[in-house]
Amino acid sequence: DAGITQSPRYKITETGRQVTLMCHQTWSHSYMFWYRQDLGHGLRLIYYSAAADITDKGEVPDGYVVSRSKTENFPLTLESATRSQTSVYFCASRAGTENTEAFFGQGTRLTVV
Amino acid sequence: GENVEQHPSTLSVQEGDSAVIKCTYSDSASNYFPWYKQELGKGPQLIIDIRSNVGEKKDQRIAVTLNKTAKHFSLHITETQPEDSAVYFCAASKGGYQKVTFGIGTKLQVIP
Repeated sequence: DAGITQSPRYKITETGRQVTLMCHQTWSHSYMFWYRQDLGHGLRLIYYSAAADITDKGEVPDGYVVSRSKTENFPLTLESATRSQTSVYFCASRAGTENTEAFFGQGTRLTVV
Repeated sequence: GENVEQHPSTLSVQEGDSAVIKCTYSDSASNYFPWYKQELGKGPQLIIDIRSNVGEKKDQRIAVTLNKTAKHFSLHITETQPEDSAVYFCAASKGGYQKVTFGIGTKLQVIP
């Protein structure tokens, strides 16, 4: 199916465990982003990528790691999950350098217990 | 960095009335202002956007206005319908790789 998909949709993990959230897009968009959504904070950028093998920190990168070995995939890893990382995570992609529409996945609801 | 403030955080209107959501931004270099609608359980979806060289843009029942001098922009929804109920986000960005800064969101409830 064309579009941007995230997996899993829901995840419960324990404090201290490593967890990876997956993001896959079929448009070959250059830019990909990870946001977290928390009540009272809106959408905050964690990491972004301008192309394969190019990534950079966003507003709240601590505790997260990303990679982008292929254009279509942009996984987000929580190296040692903490309760403060309980959130809804959204992946997004955009075609190019101009101001164009960002397409969002359906989100992953992560609970750290 | 850019800071986007959005208000109100919640808004209830009667079906058929208008709804207005206001945002301000801090970075005068920002030149692109999208609005996203997020329905329950879904990711945000672009509904309209405006660039800094335009003061107003309209798409059916939705309009956005931009005041660059005051650094604020607004979303106007006329003749609201129950399906307009959602969370709306304003955002601002500038050129290049386009880090987009979002407001905190407005939960709009349209009462039938």
